Amino acid sequence: DAMVIQNPRYQVTQFGKPVTLSCSQTLNHNVMYWYQQKSSQAPKLLFHYYDKDFNNEADTPDNFQSRRPNTSFCFLDIRSPGLGDAAMYLCATSRDSLDRLGGYTFGSGTRLTVV
Amino acid sequence: DAKTTQPPSMDCAEGRAANLPCNHSTISGNEYVYWYRQIHSQGPQYIIHGLKNNETNEMASLIITEDRKSSTLILPHATLRDTAVYYCIVRVGGSQGNLIFGKGTKLSVKP
Repeated sequence: DAMVIQNPRYQVTQFGKPVTLSCSQTLNHNVMYWYQQKSSQAPKLLFHYYDKDFNNEADTPDNFQSRRPNTSFCFLDIRSPGLGDAAMYLCATSRDSLDRLGGYTFGSGTRLTVV
Repeated sequence: DAKTTQPPSMDCAEGRAANLPCNHSTISGNEYVYWYRQIHSQGPQYIIHGLKNNETNEMASLIITEDRKSSTLILPHATLRDTAVYYCIVRVGGSQGNLIFGKGTKLSVKP
């Protein structure tokens, strides 16, 4: 089945040590999103790629970066993780003209722990 | 910021209809209403969306008021597996707009 896959499901990293989370999709969707979800909170949009165009949310910290080498893959890089960055990180995809075709497809998320 | 207001929690008896309300009084004419749900420790799941007409699919029905300032998601026969946080989202920005999540409603389906 076409889907959005996030690896790993759980990631433990050390305070200050760079970490990369990955997302792949088989849906051939041109838009990919990264959300951060802290415990008991709603998902918060960090940034998205519309094709190769990167769009950062205004309040996303500089510590968070993203790469999209091709249509299928997108990476979230946290350059110097702090304790406050512990969260579930969700990847999502969508087609252009979202409203006619339906909603985003989310992956199962990567739960990041910072020690 | 999210443009929606939802009750923080609701209970529903198993087998009964669950009616989840959402207020979106500042919605614009071309903005769609989306509903997602998130079961614990999973990614959000798309349920349904609509503009001004009522919509129905295999999961749920969406009733949008004529003035579009509020909507109701209906799960016709709730099961224990429907226990989740339900998010009502107004998508702003047209076809390239993003989904900005509000706080959602925690629905608990009880035996």
